[in-house]
Amino acid sequence: ETGVTQTPRHLVMGMTNKKSLKCEQHLGHNAMYWYKQSAKKPLELMFVYNFKEQTENNSVPSRFSPECPNSSHLFLHLHTLQPEDSALYLCASSQDGPAGGQETQYFGPGTRLLVL
Amino acid sequence: GQNIDQPTEMTATEGAIVQINCTYQTSGFNGLFWYQQHAGEAPTFLSYNVLDGLEEKGRFSSFLSRSKGYSYLLLKELQMKDSASYLCAVRDSNYQLIWGAGTKLIIKP
Repeated sequence: ETGVTQTPRHLVMGMTNKKSLKCEQHLGHNAMYWYKQSAKKPLELMFVYNFKEQTENNSVPSRFSPECPNSSHLFLHLHTLQPEDSALYLCASSQDGPAGGQETQYFGPGTRLLVL
Repeated sequence: GQNIDQPTEMTATEGAIVQINCTYQTSGFNGLFWYQQHAGEAPTFLSYNVLDGLEEKGRFSSFLSRSKGYSYLLLKELQMKDSASYLCAVRDSNYQLIWGAGTKLIIKP
């Protein structure tokens, strides 16, 4: 496996379900990201992990819960979602630059989520 | 507020040239990225500009003017496979990426 992988690729869930999205990066990067992509809207950054520590949480509702057990794996746990949460969820990774700046981000193929 | 503007959709003909513009207003500037995203797929990195001028990479070129808050992506010798969305993103003073909504490019035979 190379690059950034995500599973599942498609997910349909009811509002009372609990599910998890998984992301794995094989690039040796130290930063990982969760984005939400809705039609005709800019990518929305949800969470950032740097060296396994969460460094950003952009006012995301608590029904989304991230987990980063190591620098290669990232999870997004989903609980009691709403229909408006239906979107493409993208994972990305990057290597932090020497000044702490984040270098080019590489994306996984995304999970297409539909909440009924 | 921070803002990235790019056209929603453009149409071009196979074999032709197309220019996709991006204007930005951000708190600070630490580089501008262009990504390509085919429908249902991951965004893939195309180019990075941090200094003014033109960066050429095969059929694709990207231009930056920091004083004007402006960039464009130039695609030459268009092929059907170039039909995709093109995302412009600017890294601000906090090294956070601010994304545009993307430009959907439709290539016609």
